Amino acid sequence: DAGVTQSPTHLIKTRGQHVTLRCSPISGHKSVSWYQQVLGQGPQFIFQYYEKEERGRGNFPDRFSARQFPNYSSELNVNALLLGDSALYLCASSARWGQGNTEAFFGQGTRLTVV
Amino acid sequence: AQKITQTQPGMFVQEKEAVTLDCTYDTSDPSYGLFWYKQPSSGEMIFLIYQGSYDQQNATEGRYSLNFQKARKSANLVISASQLGDSAMYFCAMRDTGTASKLTFGTGTRLQVTL
Repeated sequence: DAGVTQSPTHLIKTRGQHVTLRCSPISGHKSVSWYQQVLGQGPQFIFQYYEKEERGRGNFPDRFSARQFPNYSSELNVNALLLGDSALYLCASSARWGQGNTEAFFGQGTRLTVV
Repeated sequence: AQKITQTQPGMFVQEKEAVTLDCTYDTSDPSYGLFWYKQPSSGEMIFLIYQGSYDQQNATEGRYSLNFQKARKSANLVISASQLGDSAMYFCAMRDTGTASKLTFGTGTRLQVTL
């Protein structure tokens, strides 16, 4: 069975550009969440989607947006890239939402470098 | 607000020995889940073990066990019979049952297994 897949794995962008990151959850999972992990820190929550609706948003500027498609895959978009957006972006897939015991399975991440 | 504290930036352990990675948490939610993830240099977050706030027994998964002390709000990870492949970053995380149902991560502990 395929796990969580993210694309691309690596990306280099210039300041001011736009980027789209993609995530396909585990088959049957309806919840996708996005995390940003800056070097040397733990992942920080950006968005959560369940059944194609946004269920939560972390403390990130409006330059960050996301959506979930009918097949439960998801895109994370970042506009007007800043150097500080350089990070590992992780997508997590869960079968449920709103329950503390819900396990989250992560993809391998997209490493974004802004120059 | 939820908070996870990992006070050990780095730990060393000899091969075949046991090691304990510390994690304390803070939440006002009576229902929550505690997770440990392993992150090798490749970046992928690998789920290791889960403990629910209402679970009476400590969770175990192979060589991993979670020492859950609810009154102290601690959820330490014990790795028995360490292997060279256990060298990685280890993150403690908590999921609440709030609207976002997000994962809150600690800052991680880098474990180095030596011969």
